[in-house]
Amino acid sequence: KQEVTQIPAALSVPEGENLVLNCSFTDSAIYNLQWFRQDPGKGLTSLLLIQSSQREQTSGRLNASLDKSSGRSTLYIAASQPGDSATYLCAVNEGNDYKLSFGAGTTVTVRA
Amino acid sequence: DAMVIQNPRYQVTQFGKPVTLSCSQTLNHNVMYWYQQKSSQAPKLLFHYYDKDFNNEADTPDNFQSRRPNTSFCFLDIRSPGLGDAAMYLCATSRDGSGQPQHFGDGTRLSIL
Repeated sequence: KQEVTQIPAALSVPEGENLVLNCSFTDSAIYNLQWFRQDPGKGLTSLLLIQSSQREQTSGRLNASLDKSSGRSTLYIAASQPGDSATYLCAVNEGNDYKLSFGAGTTVTVRA
Repeated sequence: DAMVIQNPRYQVTQFGKPVTLSCSQTLNHNVMYWYQQKSSQAPKLLFHYYDKDFNNEADTPDNFQSRRPNTSFCFLDIRSPGLGDAAMYLCATSRDGSGQPQHFGDGTRLSIL
């Protein structure tokens, strides 16, 4: 059974610092990995999706890397802003069914 | 521009009183999902529909049911809500088979009195 872990559970940084969020998964036979943002009391907003054949994806200040063999993905957010404060979740799709296995998320606070 | 719409955003019901949550989508996606998310926890898949084919997760409680009358709409029915069913319920869609990105609505926060 796939287990997805995100450590730390919470992170607080001053504005302008780069953010590094970690995601690890136990079964490397994944189809893709998706990073989501969740604001308090809201649903999930998809940030980036990395296919298993890719090493990274970029969108603006966001960059996600994937190392399937070691079971890790990292989300980098450059030059953090208070508006980046949210919970970030990663989820893996193993391709054999429709299920996404989620981590519990990292809650980020960017201090002005 | 909202693509996956959940109503209501907040729902309060009494212990044991049936409740229905709704989800609609304008993406014309084949697959619709219902997730349950409790505070500070990962979302947990309850069931999904591929078109009209219903798929129930093995550990989804029996008092949770779902209906998908057409492509655009999907409903989550909780027959006899208990206090442990208080959670955020998230609806998501994906275009078709596995590997497609999932698009989420804003969720319905369910409270049980």
